[in-house]
Amino acid sequence: AQKVTQAQTEISVVEKEDVTLDCVYETRDTTYYLFWYKQPPSGELVFLIRRNSFDEQNEISGRYSWNFQKSTSSFNFTITASQVVDSAVYFCALSEAPRAGNNRKLIWGLGTSLAVNP
Amino acid sequence: NAGVTQTPKFRILKIGQSMTLQCTQDMNHNYMYWYRQDPGMGLKLIYYSVGAGITDKGEVPNGYNVSRSTTEDFPLRLELAAPSQTSVYFCASSYAFSSYEQYFGPGTRLTVT
Repeated sequence: AQKVTQAQTEISVVEKEDVTLDCVYETRDTTYYLFWYKQPPSGELVFLIRRNSFDEQNEISGRYSWNFQKSTSSFNFTITASQVVDSAVYFCALSEAPRAGNNRKLIWGLGTSLAVNP
Repeated sequence: NAGVTQTPKFRILKIGQSMTLQCTQDMNHNYMYWYRQDPGMGLKLIYYSVGAGITDKGEVPNGYNVSRSTTEDFPLRLELAAPSQTSVYFCASSYAFSSYEQYFGPGTRLTVT
């Protein structure tokens, strides 16, 4: 069965600390896609990154980096030198290739609430 | 480029009332989705559409209906509102399923009392 687990419910850090948000997924498919979304206090959901199952290269975008490891079924997200504006709920999500019986849904984790304090 | 827009932003309904949540996207996306987000929970898919005239149920469709007469619009209808439908509703769209990210509207906060 497909599942996404974000074991950290809440994290609190002080500004400029590095923080890693964990995401562990389960799927029987060999082709799948992983996503991270950010939901700031204003409520909207903002897409951050997409990764397909055949690309295990880590990615860096400014202070954000993502570590995808198929061996441990993890897709972790690190914020370097955190800032107050990074305070948000971060969601990890999984999707599989369309097929009969797959109702084309994203499998969402429950999110990690990150508070970055000044 | 407005992206995905939703109206209204907030609404209070009495039990048994009905209403339609509007969603419009201007990105010419084929796929559109309706989610609900309950406090402290992830998103649950209510309905989705793969194109004009084609809709299908998601995880939690009971109490809701949708239609898709155009590529741009995907309204969500609540019939006979119940307190269990108190939630934040998000509309989203994507170019295709699975490999493409979804773009979300700002959400509608609905309270049923």
